[in-house]
Amino acid sequence: DTAVSQTPKYLVTQMGNDKSIKCEQNLGHDTMYWYKQDSKKFLKIMFSYNNKELIINETVPNRFSPKSPDKAHLNLHINSLELGDSAVYFCASSPIPRKSYEQYFGPGTRLTVT
Amino acid sequence: GQQVMQIPQYQHVQEGEDFTTYCNSSTTLSNIQWYKQRPGGHPVFLIQLVKSGEVKKQKRLTFQFGEAKKNSSLHITATQTTDVGTYFCAGPASNFGNEKLTFGTGTRLTIIP
Repeated sequence: DTAVSQTPKYLVTQMGNDKSIKCEQNLGHDTMYWYKQDSKKFLKIMFSYNNKELIINETVPNRFSPKSPDKAHLNLHINSLELGDSAVYFCASSPIPRKSYEQYFGPGTRLTVT
Repeated sequence: GQQVMQIPQYQHVQEGEDFTTYCNSSTTLSNIQWYKQRPGGHPVFLIQLVKSGEVKKQKRLTFQFGEAKKNSSLHITATQTTDVGTYFCAGPASNFGNEKLTFGTGTRLTIIP
């Protein structure tokens, strides 16, 4: 059973388009995240949700809008895609907020904007 | 803001040689986590260290948390081809719990068979 799953795995699209990435976790975790990993492998947090509530919103352009319909799902919608949005986007989850627990990452979505 | 740097950025070793990556935070950390990302894969949690000066071992991997809780290291003894990947340390942001991890810059390990 996949713990954290993401769809799609690959996404190739043109500048200006709008796209969505979906994430689901079956671990029963309370907290979910979106990370962006650039071509140099730097991993940066974008958003964090705890029980459907947004708790972290890093300085991300407002073209990026996360949505958590329930605590098992966290989606990411991106409007007006730009070349610089090309990266691997990872969803992750962790069991308990404000505790020292590991994060479980999904397989990633490789977004290529042309 | 908080910065977590790792050195070296890249390391190429012959199979069987040892490998060490060092992690340095600009702020004191309540704990530090280590992750491994295989090429084309996703980060996978390895371990968490909490106490000052803590040392933990996992088979050929030895993790250490500095006395001042601002640095950490990962040492691999007698590397194998399965060790290939990028190793990240990560620490919680000072004004958050673990809901906000700052990941280090990573050390990419390649093994020459």
